[in-house]
Amino acid sequence: GDSVTQMEGPVTLSEEAFLTINCTYTATGYPSLFWYVQYPGEGLQLLLKATKADDKGSNKGFEATYRKETTSFHLEKGSVQVSDSAVYFCALRGNTPLVFGKGTRLSVIA
Amino acid sequence: GAVVSQHPSRVICKSGTSVKIECRSLDFQATTMFWYRQFPKQSLMLMATSNEGSKATYEQGVEKDKFLINHASLTLSTLTVTSAHPEDSSFYICSARAFVGNTGELFFGEGSRLTVL
Repeated sequence: GDSVTQMEGPVTLSEEAFLTINCTYTATGYPSLFWYVQYPGEGLQLLLKATKADDKGSNKGFEATYRKETTSFHLEKGSVQVSDSAVYFCALRGNTPLVFGKGTRLSVIA
Repeated sequence: GAVVSQHPSRVICKSGTSVKIECRSLDFQATTMFWYRQFPKQSLMLMATSNEGSKATYEQGVEKDKFLINHASLTLSTLTVTSAHPEDSSFYICSARAFVGNTGELFFGEGSRLTVL
């Protein structure tokens, strides 16, 4: 079945560092891909998405490109802030509502 | 974006009791809502799909008699954990699909943390 694998955390970075959180997927057909963010004490929020190969989703300085050849959707940000500290979930939607990765906790220190 | 609200956000109960968690779509109607369970350091696992006016569809391995789901209106779905045990302690999250134009984006509630003593 469909599955998502993302790098395990926690990831600790200094403010203004470059962030990459790897995400790869297994799915039949052409799924849509998502990154969700869960800030402390809050529910999940959609961060960005891409619905077809080579699409780039972007929001709040974060970017991810749908790479079908490598079945990947890595999340990147050029300069992280303390306020980016959260848990990030990669997810896909194929024939099921949503399949999530295990989440990666990011801590950004000043 | 659309707002989904869960209540209660935290609940502690004794083993053997039942607990009800509500999920409401505050500014849109949701014919379909989803219930997820999140274990510590684990992914969100889909438990069931709740359809307004009909029976919920449960994922494999989820006990439908244990986790009762009712979707009586277009803005409310409830999850009742019956005869709760400590192993039911978890973070339960609901989501609802709001259609904006032709896209159906999922919006998530804040989650409900259940602790069974």
